[in-house]
Amino acid sequence: DIQMTQSPSSLSASVGDRVTITCRASQSISSYLNWYQQKPGKAPKLLIYAASSLQSGVPSRFSGSGSGTDFTLTISSLQPEDFATYYCQQSYSALTFGPGTKVDIK
Amino acid sequence: QITLKESGPTLVKPTQTLTLTCTFSGFSLSTSGVGVGWIRQPPGKALEWLALIYWNDDMRYSPSLKSRLTITKDTSKNQVVLTMTNMDPVDTATYYCAHRNYYDSSGDSFDYWGQGTLVTVSS
Repeated sequence: DIQMTQSPSSLSASVGDRVTITCRASQSISSYLNWYQQKPGKAPKLLIYAASSLQSGVPSRFSGSGSGTDFTLTISSLQPEDFATYYCQQSYSALTFGPGTKVDIK
Repeated sequence: QITLKESGPTLVKPTQTLTLTCTFSGFSLSTSGVGVGWIRQPPGKALEWLALIYWNDDMRYSPSLKSRLTITKDTSKNQVVLTMTNMDPVDTATYYCAHRNYYDSSGDSFDYWGQGTLVTVSS
């Protein structure tokens, strides 16, 4: 099974900050990597698919990059509505989610 | 627009079989490229993918849970059913069904999700 790790597990940031979250796969997954945002009590929301494709309707301050084993999600200027937990998910072999990164207010 | 909704029991006893139904609208599971998956989330924990069924009847299962899961579809009713056998308290979670992202031509991502249903396993 492919294992996914995320770092950091949590971070505190201020509105306007640039935020970067890292996701690492235990083996190469090419670009089969997706990013989701989840707020408490809500279903996850797809942000990025295929490592770098912005899902329709998602603000352009979100971007994704990487291939192989190392991937990043970047929020260029954190907005109040971006405080949430972020998950990566691979679909190269079966599907697995990362453990999540919680972004809260500094 | 695309909507999905999960239904099923909120409480099951250990060793029982769980049956969940995902009823959807706004798409057809007979259309090429379409899929519906199930994902769960124990309280306060991370997401865990369970199963995925495609328009062409292909199915994928979580390797760690494969022996306990069955996913089926009823195209005429716009429903996908997940059964999970031998339920245990550790299976307590919110169970979501989700629509496979049609624009993700090679991978599997989920662009529309149901609201989720909390299933508690307890005697």
